[in-house]
Amino acid sequence: EDQVTQSPEALRLQEGESSSLNCSYTVSGLRGLFWYRQDPGKGPEFLFTLYSAGEEKEKERLKATLTKKESFLHITAPKPEDSATYLCAVRGYSGAGSYQLTFGKGTKLSVIP
Amino acid sequence: ETGVTQTPRHLVMGMTNKKSLKCEQHLGHNAMYWYKQSAKKPLELMFVYSLEERVENNSVPSRFSPECPNSSHLFLHLHTLQPEDSALYLCASSQDTGAGADEQYFGPGTRLTVT
Repeated sequence: EDQVTQSPEALRLQEGESSSLNCSYTVSGLRGLFWYRQDPGKGPEFLFTLYSAGEEKEKERLKATLTKKESFLHITAPKPEDSATYLCAVRGYSGAGSYQLTFGKGTKLSVIP
Repeated sequence: ETGVTQTPRHLVMGMTNKKSLKCEQHLGHNAMYWYKQSAKKPLELMFVYSLEERVENNSVPSRFSPECPNSSHLFLHLHTLQPEDSALYLCASSQDTGAGADEQYFGPGTRLTVT
């Protein structure tokens, strides 16, 4: 069974204070690891897909990296508008044609001006 | 309209009512999904449709009944719900290429309260 654990559950940063969010996973063969951002009362917004260990992707102040056991979402010089819950999800080879996407509980990020 | 839309955004229903949630995607995708999001829990996949055919049903109680009349529309019919069914119901879509790593795009959700 695929599993995703995100840490910390909540993180408070001062504006400009860089940090990282962690996503640890176990999966029977990784098809893809996904990062989403979710604002209160809204659906998750797609950020990145990572496919293999060593891969990195960047978007504005966010950078996602992947190893064989975990992924990190690095936030550089965050701004208050980066405040949101960040979700990590994986899809593995748990069966031919499987569509199962396993999500973590998320990290709630608050950036204080 | 762009992206994935859901109606209604908020719904309050009694345990004996029957209601339906509607989802429409404007992205040209061929797969659609229903998820349940409860407080302090990860998103739970409920149903998946690919090319209008149901391909996954994660042991969801029969009081939830999905319908996918075409690749752009998805419904979730609700009847005889329980208070523990109160949650945010999210619809998503993706372009199913068979590779299994297709990103999903979510709608804003329907906040359901069962009284």
